[in-house]
Amino acid sequence: ETGVTQSPTHLIKTRGQQVTLRCSSQSGHNTVSWYQQALGQGPQFIFQYYREEENGRGNFPPRFSGLQFPNYSSELNVNALELDDSALYLCASSLYGAPITQYFGPGTRLTVL
Amino acid sequence: DAKTTQPNSMESNEEEPVHLPCNHSTISGTDYIHWYRQLPSQGPEYVIHGLTSNVNNRMASLAIAEDRKSSTLILHRATLRDAAVYYCILRETSGSRLTFGEGTQLTVNP
Repeated sequence: ETGVTQSPTHLIKTRGQQVTLRCSSQSGHNTVSWYQQALGQGPQFIFQYYREEENGRGNFPPRFSGLQFPNYSSELNVNALELDDSALYLCASSLYGAPITQYFGPGTRLTVL
Repeated sequence: DAKTTQPNSMESNEEEPVHLPCNHSTISGTDYIHWYRQLPSQGPEYVIHGLTSNVNNRMASLAIAEDRKSSTLILHRATLRDAAVYYCILRETSGSRLTFGEGTQLTVNP
């Protein structure tokens, strides 16, 4: 069974640029959630994708967007990067339903200069 | 999502039991209690969850108060590898998200 993988592991961008982060879900999982974790804080929910559509969104502006593909992998896109976007971005996969366990990837560390 | 309250940090000695408390006085009847932990430089990892009854698995035990307003995660014999931030999370049966607080930083001393 393959776990959740994310790429890249680290990324450095400058303010105003755009970034795409990628996530491959665990085998058999059809739902992907994205979280942002600032240093020293708990992860904050960005959004979730199920059946290639957004299924719930946290308090993040529209410049945070996502995609889910037919193979259940996902992308997180962030436009017009700001310094405060520097964080660890975590992807979690699960089977849709409840109460469900989410399985997290190792994250992508984004630094915005 | 209902809020949880955890101590910022706790310390334990290796091979001793650890009891990590969590208060959730505004829990609703449909909220499950989930625990995740995050080891250094890793994503969060599921530990255990429960609704009303105490639960045991290979990683830990979850003791839930009769009124469900508090719970305790029990690590029966702490190891150095258990040093992590432990998050107590309430999750609606139909909820899509995990709402993390700041968790408890557990330090395990050799």
